[in-house]
Amino acid sequence: GNSVTQMEGPVTLSEEAFLTINCTYTATGYPSLFWYVQYPGEGLQLLLKATKADDKGSNKGFEATYRKETTSFHLEKGSVQVSDSAVYFCALRLEGSARQLTFGSGTQLTVLP
Amino acid sequence: EADIYQTPRYLVIGTGKKITLECSQTMGHDKMYWYQQDPGMELHLIHYSYGVNSTEKGDLSSESTVSRIRTEHFPLTLESARPSHTSQYLCASSGGAPRYGYTFGSGTRLTVV
Repeated sequence: GNSVTQMEGPVTLSEEAFLTINCTYTATGYPSLFWYVQYPGEGLQLLLKATKADDKGSNKGFEATYRKETTSFHLEKGSVQVSDSAVYFCALRLEGSARQLTFGSGTQLTVLP
Repeated sequence: EADIYQTPRYLVIGTGKKITLECSQTMGHDKMYWYQQDPGMELHLIHYSYGVNSTEKGDLSSESTVSRIRTEHFPLTLESARPSHTSQYLCASSGGAPRYGYTFGSGTRLTVV
């Protein structure tokens, strides 16, 4: 079946540190890949996406590259801010049914000033 | 502005009460979803719909029910609330190809006392 495995949290960093949150996937077919962010008390917001191999998604200083050979979509940011503190979800989506989005378990990020 | 709305944002209710969580979207999306999010952050799909008069149960068994009488509206009902129903409930919608991902509402935080 399809699945997404995320780096376990929580992750605590100091402001301006480099961030990596690992995400690997298993899928039957060629999925689109997503990172969602959930700020405290809110729903999920789409952070970035990539729809085919070697695509790089980017937004708000975050980046992730679709690596088909390693089935990975790691999230990176060069210099985190306190306002980046949130929960980050990696997800994949395939064609074929209404239940298309498969989420990872989420990674809690806390950035300290 | 196209968006997805959930009401109420917060609800505290007594055991045995009937409740309905509202979800509406203005994007004309055919697919809609309900997720339950536990304190550990993980998201569990409890219901989905791929059009009017179409509803299906998700991966996590739930005592709630849903209806889809209009494209834009996907309410979730609990006939008799219990403390075990205390959770965050997130509604989402999608339309078109997988590369577009989902749009989420802000969620309803339900507490049953």
